[in-house]
Amino acid sequence: NAGVTQTPKFQVLKTGQSMTLQCAQDMNHNSMYWYRQDPGMGLRLIYYSASEGTTDKGEVPNGYNVSRLNKREFSLRLESAAPSQTSVYFCASSGYPDQPQHFGDGTRLSIL
Amino acid sequence: KQEVTQIPAALSVPEGENLVLNCSFTDSAIYNLQWFRQDPGKGLTSLLLIQSSQREQTSGRLNASLDKSSGRSTLYIAASQPGDSATYLCAVRPRTDSWGKFQFGAGTQVVVTP
Repeated sequence: NAGVTQTPKFQVLKTGQSMTLQCAQDMNHNSMYWYRQDPGMGLRLIYYSASEGTTDKGEVPNGYNVSRLNKREFSLRLESAAPSQTSVYFCASSGYPDQPQHFGDGTRLSIL
Repeated sequence: KQEVTQIPAALSVPEGENLVLNCSFTDSAIYNLQWFRQDPGKGLTSLLLIQSSQREQTSGRLNASLDKSSGRSTLYIAASQPGDSATYLCAVRPRTDSWGKFQFGAGTQVVVTP
């Protein structure tokens, strides 16, 4: 029962470094999402992919890029990490609109 | 723009008491509303999903109601237990972008004391 799998679980970066967060789902879902969660700010949508081959900006896309590699995988890339991107990142997926969202366990990212 | 509000931000109740958690939204044009539970340092676990055509959903000790016209949903947890201590979030899926964006509330942090 894997559901939504995120890697890595923890990461520490230096300012200016780049990295890619990976997300994969095994539920044959059409839509996938990247959120960040910060204390006092709640969950904010970074990017989403309503279906394979499409991606759209969410509320806070600056400093990030995404790739919907196939129906299963949706990656988030930080090209030049900044301390303001220190956060917990969650990937989620959902099937048809009348179905629930499912979340991964998150990636805890610290940028020094 | 849809705004989702959860009040109070934090709540402490003695074990056995019923919990009542509120979620308000400003735009009634929603597709559905989902309640989640989040334990410290963990991801979100789906609790209940209510479609816009439904008035309530039940699962065990949990019951969620939806009143679209007033922009409110309430999550009831009967006979609370210390294991119910967590943060509870609601999320609204808009009708105008039903394949896409969700809007989350900031959550209510619940502590159930033995």
